[in-house]
Amino acid sequence: DTEVTQTPKHLVMGMTNKKSLKCEQHMGHRAMYWYKQKAKKPPELMFVYSYEKLSINESVPSRFSPECPNSSLLNLHLHALQPEDSALYLCASSQDQNPGNYGYTFGSGTRLTVV
Amino acid sequence: DAKTTQPTSMDCAEGRAANLPCNHSTISGNEYVYWYRQIHSQGPQYIIHGLKNNETNEMASLIITEDRKSSTLILPHATLRDTAVYYCIVRARSHYTGTASKLTFGTGTRLQVTL
Repeated sequence: DTEVTQTPKHLVMGMTNKKSLKCEQHMGHRAMYWYKQKAKKPPELMFVYSYEKLSINESVPSRFSPECPNSSLLNLHLHALQPEDSALYLCASSQDQNPGNYGYTFGSGTRLTVV
Repeated sequence: DAKTTQPTSMDCAEGRAANLPCNHSTISGNEYVYWYRQIHSQGPQYIIHGLKNNETNEMASLIITEDRKSSTLILPHATLRDTAVYYCIVRARSHYTGTASKLTFGTGTRLQVTL
């Protein structure tokens, strides 16, 4: 298995809802990442997990809460989002926090719409 | 990590070679050049990376100038499926485990392959 799987592919949520995005990989990668991508813009890093511990938080608002239950799973819990949080949320993984010959493997993303 | 400069957009006829330039004049000795691409509505895909030698894989070739201040990604026989945004990224590889790393995307080059 050489993929990063993200679910759901599409999500519409109200500003008072609580929802979660899920990311899964079975490549034995020990680093996992969340990126946010607005339309026609490059992906922006949100969080980095390394060996199941949060390594980098790019000053992301607390309404986004990451969780890494084990080395294969990465969740992003969403609460009280704003319409401007609507974006494509991408998950990625790499062999470790210093990807060598294989780079990062990205999922196809979850397209989130906040109404 | 050093900053990169890429043309905003390029066109290429199908079957011809696509040569995508990237300027990274402030690159330092321990920084690698990575290329990713993002096809519409998909996650970014790793293409190739290199330090100072030219590199080739099944997807593309990477030519790095001798002074390392610029590089060119070559898709030898572009097809319509190569239409995408191509990102050139410069980042250092740390040899220390336990240090988190970031992959930071610039604005990229939008390559349009036409019939």
